[in-house]
Amino acid sequence: GESVGLHLPTLSVQEGDNSIINCAYSNSASDYFIWYKQESGKGPQFIIDIRSNMDKRQGQRVTVLLNKTVKHLSLQIAATQPGDSAVYFCAENNERGGSEKLVFGKGTKLTVNP
Amino acid sequence: GAGVSQTPSNKVTEKGKYVELRCDPISGHTALYWYRQSLGQGPEFLIYFQGTGAADDSGLPNDRFFAVRPEGSVSTLKIQRTERGDSAVYLCASSLTPTGRGGYNEQFFGPGTRLTVL
Repeated sequence: GESVGLHLPTLSVQEGDNSIINCAYSNSASDYFIWYKQESGKGPQFIIDIRSNMDKRQGQRVTVLLNKTVKHLSLQIAATQPGDSAVYFCAENNERGGSEKLVFGKGTKLTVNP
Repeated sequence: GAGVSQTPSNKVTEKGKYVELRCDPISGHTALYWYRQSLGQGPEFLIYFQGTGAADDSGLPNDRFFAVRPEGSVSTLKIQRTERGDSAVYLCASSLTPTGRGGYNEQFFGPGTRLTVL
């Protein structure tokens, strides 16, 4: 069945370091993979998405990598800042399956130490 | 501009009571989604509206849960005979068009309503 999960529940980095957050997924039919950031007491905030026919996409300070062979997704954050501290979720959408919903993983809590 | 708003921000109720949670989507967004987020978990899909109709309600856990969107804008999630297991943050999201149609259409999330059932 559909499932999206994360390898690590927590990640602690020093300010200025690069962060890598990983995600494993099982639904090979998914069309889009999306990373969301959620700060305490707030709703998830979109970071970046990648279509299933791509293997890399870059945004501002963030890069998402998709490895369909091993069904693995990662989010790389360059020069991590204290404001990056949050819980990060990967999510997937299966457009071809007629689904409009997002299926979320459990999340990784990123802590940036000054 | 205004984002998705949800009221109330917090709701405490007693087991067995009825509650209504409101969502005001971004103006002009045709698609509206409800999710439920338990502590330490990712959001779980409940229901999706395209316009006034519930296009996918496969995530509603049982018939105590119901949602409406009568005019294609504001939506209300209704929970009857609340149980302690219903305690969670209920998130609403909207997108300009349905997610995934012609490319990923971002779902914008509101801050959520924290429901506590005593």
